[in-house]
Amino acid sequence: QQQVKQSPQSLIVQKGGISIINCAYENTAFDYFPWYQQFPGKGPALLIAIRPDVSEKKEGRFTISFNKSAKQFSLHIMDSQPGDSATYFCAASMRLSGYALNFGKGTSLLVTP
Amino acid sequence: GAVVSQHPSWVICKSGTSVKIECRSLDFQATTMFWYRQFPKQSLMLMATSNEGSKATYEQGVEKDKFLINHASLTLSTLTVTSAHPEDSSFYICSAGGPVSGELFFGEGSRLTVL
Repeated sequence: QQQVKQSPQSLIVQKGGISIINCAYENTAFDYFPWYQQFPGKGPALLIAIRPDVSEKKEGRFTISFNKSAKQFSLHIMDSQPGDSATYFCAASMRLSGYALNFGKGTSLLVTP
Repeated sequence: GAVVSQHPSWVICKSGTSVKIECRSLDFQATTMFWYRQFPKQSLMLMATSNEGSKATYEQGVEKDKFLINHASLTLSTLTVTSAHPEDSSFYICSAGGPVSGELFFGEGSRLTVL
């Protein structure tokens, strides 16, 4: 059972545009929500993460928006660049399970020149 | 971020043989490490939680006798795929927690191909 639902499955954005990826979860015990970036043949790299006590977190061009009541969170990539082309995974975890990550299915992002 | 190293990065073996994959936390101690498996163009699926000094906890559907996990020290966990078969061919990735609670860092992954 997929505990974290991610959309869209794929996304094409022009250089300079905004990439938006959405995720939803059901388990209200989740208390940590990270986003990972993965290039082909590589392990995922932690991009940015948020906890449910804040509604937004920004780090450089990456922003997480978090809606606790709707149980949704999203990643915004501002001024998207061709180098951002990768697969992005949202995830959720909780202290009770030792912070084992439950991943979304991933979004393949292509940023065109 | 914290550095997690995996070795080997790729391995090819014959059906029926066993393969060991190492996962090391290079600049921090990790009492807990996680092993994931990823098929092409799919998400990461948690296989097991590796706890230093105790038995690993396996996810439902993961054969513990096939995927042996040992976490003998605070910086090393190993995954041994025993009697490997072609269907075990996959990308295996480990992760370990950094100093910030909940923050997990991943190794570069190990590509296993069983002939």
